[in-house]
Amino acid sequence: GAVVSQHPSWVICKSGTSVKIECRSLDFQATTMFWYRQFPKQSLMLMATSNEGSKATYEQGVEKDKFLINHASLTLSTLTVTSAHPEDSSFYICSAKTMAGDTEAFFGQGTRLTVV
Amino acid sequence: GQNIDQPTEMTATEGAIVQINCTYQTSGFNGLFWYQQHAGEAPTFLSYNVLDGLEEKGRFSSFLSRSKGYSYLLLKELQMKDSASYLCALMDSNYQLIWGAGTKLIIKP
Repeated sequence: GAVVSQHPSWVICKSGTSVKIECRSLDFQATTMFWYRQFPKQSLMLMATSNEGSKATYEQGVEKDKFLINHASLTLSTLTVTSAHPEDSSFYICSAKTMAGDTEAFFGQGTRLTVV
Repeated sequence: GQNIDQPTEMTATEGAIVQINCTYQTSGFNGLFWYQQHAGEAPTFLSYNVLDGLEEKGRFSSFLSRSKGYSYLLLKELQMKDSASYLCALMDSNYQLIWGAGTKLIIKP
């Protein structure tokens, strides 16, 4: 299957700082990328959907000014957690699809963010 | 709206068979997925069903009944490495995945 690389795998940052997470499709062009957040023992929660070259669509309750998503190319999307707080500590996962009708989305490895 | 239900936790014995059920309600349907997720890792794809019936893939099989809004994942010859969470996910009319909360499967020797 297609490979999606997410970086970093884990990060610890101080409260008030910003953290950028990268999601790259290595062997295919991802027209659509999804960003999820998963708290311990909970399901994946979709944060936003990003399409290359356009603004991301955020799910209800997700602050677009706090979670900045950039999908500047067909192989790269980034999620920046701005002014991070301890409650933002979570597991962030990206997934990518080649086109809207694709059945399978390919997942990155996930990023464990801890804000201290 | 959409709703997905699956048991929170199940326990089974190594070498045995276990069936994890998933029921759903949705207005738009483009298939049902099963994913395996080990703690601290991203989900990995197991199966996809869009038509009624049973899909077999090695030790894992997945069944779908669209009329009943029901699916199950069947794991045979359980191994200790099968201890993980199993996520049922529905693809809606916009081709987005709606995730169940996951079933934590504990395998005992």
